[in-house]
Amino acid sequence: QTVVTQEPSFSVSPGGTVTLTCGLSSGSVSTSYHPSWYQQTPGQTPRTLIYSINVRSSGVPDRFSGSILGNKAALTITGAQADDESDYYCVLYMGSGIWVFGGGTKLTVL
Amino acid sequence: EGQLVESGGGLVQPGGSLRLSCTASGFTLSSYWMSWVRQAPGKGLEWVANIKQDGSEKNYVDSVRGRFTISRDNAKNSLSLQMNSLRAEDTAVYYCARWGYSSGQYYLDYWGQGTLVTVSS
Repeated sequence: QTVVTQEPSFSVSPGGTVTLTCGLSSGSVSTSYHPSWYQQTPGQTPRTLIYSINVRSSGVPDRFSGSILGNKAALTITGAQADDESDYYCVLYMGSGIWVFGGGTKLTVL
Repeated sequence: EGQLVESGGGLVQPGGSLRLSCTASGFTLSSYWMSWVRQAPGKGLEWVANIKQDGSEKNYVDSVRGRFTISRDNAKNSLSLQMNSLRAEDTAVYYCARWGYSSGQYYLDYWGQGTLVTVSS
């Protein structure tokens, strides 16, 4: 069974740039996998950030951007702020109606 | 502005059953694929099940297939998850979520606030 991979944790300095990735244990992420990104702070409902590779959801600041980097989907935060400290999840479509979330990346801003 | 409100969570013994409900407002439920997504305490998000607009297609994660049943009543703008033979590992916050569609891509665009299911004796 294919696993969706994300970095377990990442750290970025305030004002810095960080790129989180979403990959597959086997194969390359493409639009066929419908990659999208979600932000969640502890105790809160997930918030939709990015879909269609690089489209920001309504109200999402433009410091968040999405792309395909090599064989992975990527979420880049440019000019990180303290309130970007959250968990970030991607989800991919595996075919046959099945979706799989990555394990999430815990981002620390310090 | 769409809204999803879950209900039905609670404490249940192992082997027991529970039915979750999700009421949609602000949009026409019948136009969208819908899903249940769960999150165990301190863990990540897990897709559980989805259902097509007319209910003709349903899909499940392997760990719940045969125990959980997703359904919908478009006339009542509601989504349900019948959970049987519950196990301790089913303990989680369960979110109802809508699949948006844009430029050929699906994504979760609306989430409910979640309802907590605890399976314990």
